[in-house]
Amino acid sequence: GAGVSQSPSNKVTEKGKDVELRCDPISGHTALYWYRQSLGQGLEFLIYFQGNSAPDKSGLPSDRFSAERTGGSVSTLTIQRTQQEDSAVYLCASSFDRGEAFFGQGTRLTVV
Amino acid sequence: GENVEQHPSTLSVQEGDSAVIKCTYSDSASNYFPWYKQELGKRPQLIIDIRSNVGEKKDQRIAVTLNKTAKHFSLHITETQPEDSAVYFCAATDTGTASKLTFGTGTRLQVTL
Repeated sequence: GAGVSQSPSNKVTEKGKDVELRCDPISGHTALYWYRQSLGQGLEFLIYFQGNSAPDKSGLPSDRFSAERTGGSVSTLTIQRTQQEDSAVYLCASSFDRGEAFFGQGTRLTVV
Repeated sequence: GENVEQHPSTLSVQEGDSAVIKCTYSDSASNYFPWYKQELGKRPQLIIDIRSNVGEKKDQRIAVTLNKTAKHFSLHITETQPEDSAVYFCAATDTGTASKLTFGTGTRLQVTL
């Protein structure tokens, strides 16, 4: 596609359930990021994939969070046993080697 | 790893005035410095960037300056308009090592009439 695509756009889930968020990056982009943004706050780094290198998971807030990137393309962020504090907008971004990162529209997660 | 600090966190200017947002970075190897604008309810979008081989770059009313010695860079917006109201994020990375893009904490700019 022409840009970074995320699905779903909105997700409401019950506390304790698992959720999967999907990111489809721009074709050919080697780098992929996941960020979390709470209302009115900044960009909280979660995880960074770059080519075939081991991902930088240093931003994942707990072991309930995990992400994978299959075939160097699509990525899935999984949150297990969701908590109310997980409610936020989850943003995905991708880039090529010159650095410009392009963001998806985000997934708004609400845990009730 | 890279650490980016951004100031101020909020900025209010009158329409027509200039706005300046400043960022500092810690990794002297960083060579790419983009600025993103995030309007309410929308995704961050790249508005201007600068690479370490130049000291200044302009695009109409916006400009970015880079001081590699002091490890700081700034965004300048002249003749501000209400549509400039948004949150602005600076970032830094070393494209040579494909290090991750590290963002500042953001500046909320409010342009008042």
